[in-house]
Amino acid sequence: AQTVTQSQPEMSVQEAETVTLSCTYDTSESDYYLFWYKQPPSRQMILVIRQEAYKQQNATENRFSVNFQKAAKSFSLKISDSQLGDAAMYFCAGADSNYQLIWGAGTKLIIKP
Amino acid sequence: DGGITQSPKYLFRKEGQNVTLSCEQNLNHDAMYWYRQDPGQGLRLIYYSQIVNDFQKGDIAEGYSVSREKKESFPLTVTSAQKNPTAFYLCATVSSSGVAGYNEQFFGPGTRLTVL
Repeated sequence: AQTVTQSQPEMSVQEAETVTLSCTYDTSESDYYLFWYKQPPSRQMILVIRQEAYKQQNATENRFSVNFQKAAKSFSLKISDSQLGDAAMYFCAGADSNYQLIWGAGTKLIIKP
Repeated sequence: DGGITQSPKYLFRKEGQNVTLSCEQNLNHDAMYWYRQDPGQGLRLIYYSQIVNDFQKGDIAEGYSVSREKKESFPLTVTSAQKNPTAFYLCATVSSSGVAGYNEQFFGPGTRLTVL
C-alpha cells in the first residue's frame, strides 16, 4: 500500500524568500506520479506541479520546482520569491497505475509581509 | 464554461436526516470522486466511479451512498448511519485518456456540511 507523509503541519516564510515543503511517498511500484496541490482560503484545490517518477529531471513551473529523490522517496516543493498569494494549504499526493490519489495531511504555508 | 459545480455550498443537517450533495461536471471526464476533508487531515476517499452505472467504495464509505446514472453527475448521499458527518466534501474528476495515474484531478468548490 502506498503512503504519503507530510511532516510539517505549518511553515512560514518571509515574502520574497524561498521555502521548501517536504513530502515522502512510499510505494512498491516502480512507476508512479507525484503531485503538489494548493488549497487557498477559498478552498478551491488547484494543481501546482506534477512529477513523473521515471523522469530524472525535476519538474519546474515558474516559481515552483520539485526536488525528487527517488531512492530516498522524497518529493519536496520549493517556492521561490514567495508571494502573499502563495499562502495556502499544500498537499502532496501520489498515484500509481490507476486513477486513485493517495494524499498527505497537508502543510499550511504562511507568508509574512 | 467548463468545470465542476457542487451544490449547495453550505448544508445543515439534523440528526437522523439523509442529505444529498450534488456534483455536476461538463468536462466530459469519465472518472469522478468524492472526498471528505477534516481539519488537520488530508483528503480521504469516500467513493469513486470510473464509468456510468459503476462505482467503488473508497476508504471511508460507511454511512455514504452514491449513484452514477449519467456521466455528468455523481451525487453523494450522507445517510443517518454516518455518525460524524460534519466536514468539507470535495468532488473531483479526471480524464481517463492517456496514461493512468498521470492526469490531474480537477476539483469542485466543495460543500460544507454541518450537523445541528
